[in-house]
Amino acid sequence: EAQVTQNPRYLITVTGKKLTVTCSQNMNHEYMSWYRQDPGLGLRQIYYSMNVEVTDKGDVPEGYKVSRKEKRNFPLILESPSPNQTSLYFCASSTSGQGYEQYFGPGTRLTVT
Amino acid sequence: AQSVTQLGSHVSVSEGALVLLRCNYSSSVPPYLFWYVQYPNQGLQLLLKYTTGATLVKGINGFEAEFKKSETSFHLTKPSAHMSDAAEYFCAVSDPRVGGNEKLTFGTGTRLTIIP
Repeated sequence: EAQVTQNPRYLITVTGKKLTVTCSQNMNHEYMSWYRQDPGLGLRQIYYSMNVEVTDKGDVPEGYKVSRKEKRNFPLILESPSPNQTSLYFCASSTSGQGYEQYFGPGTRLTVT
Repeated sequence: AQSVTQLGSHVSVSEGALVLLRCNYSSSVPPYLFWYVQYPNQGLQLLLKYTTGATLVKGINGFEAEFKKSETSFHLTKPSAHMSDAAEYFCAVSDPRVGGNEKLTFGTGTRLTIIP
């Protein structure tokens, strides 16, 4: 089954404790992206990757890191989480090129206290 | 820069009634347009999209949308609402120019409630 998986689905952590949210896709997609969803703001892009070893900032990259060492994986790293990073995070992937459907993971709900 | 406006953060319709969710966009070039649906505790799922060609596009679950360039709109409709349509709906645009970030710029969402 074609899918994007994220782990963990739910995470409660404390300020400053490094964490990683994993994202994996099995569709051989070149393009992958991370979004955060906040009430009243819709989804905003954090980082994206056009292919292996090619990553760039989205609209709200502060406080986040990413890496793309393998085509299927695109982990999101919070080196020192803060309460304003409490949010619902989605990973997405698609075929490279404009206009293609982006496939979304189930989401990771992160709470930073 | 692109932006998307969804009029009405909450919409309630009776079962069997017309569903109309509004979306207007602002873009320096005609964008690609998408509607995604998010059911509770799930990720987003594509309902339909417009890239080129016919301006009336049909999607899954009986939904359709019409691209109106003169009005910069891409409103989502369904003739008869079902209880299973209750969800949050997001309009999104992307820049059609080749070689750029394929990111989606989302509206703030419309939560659709179906009244039995």
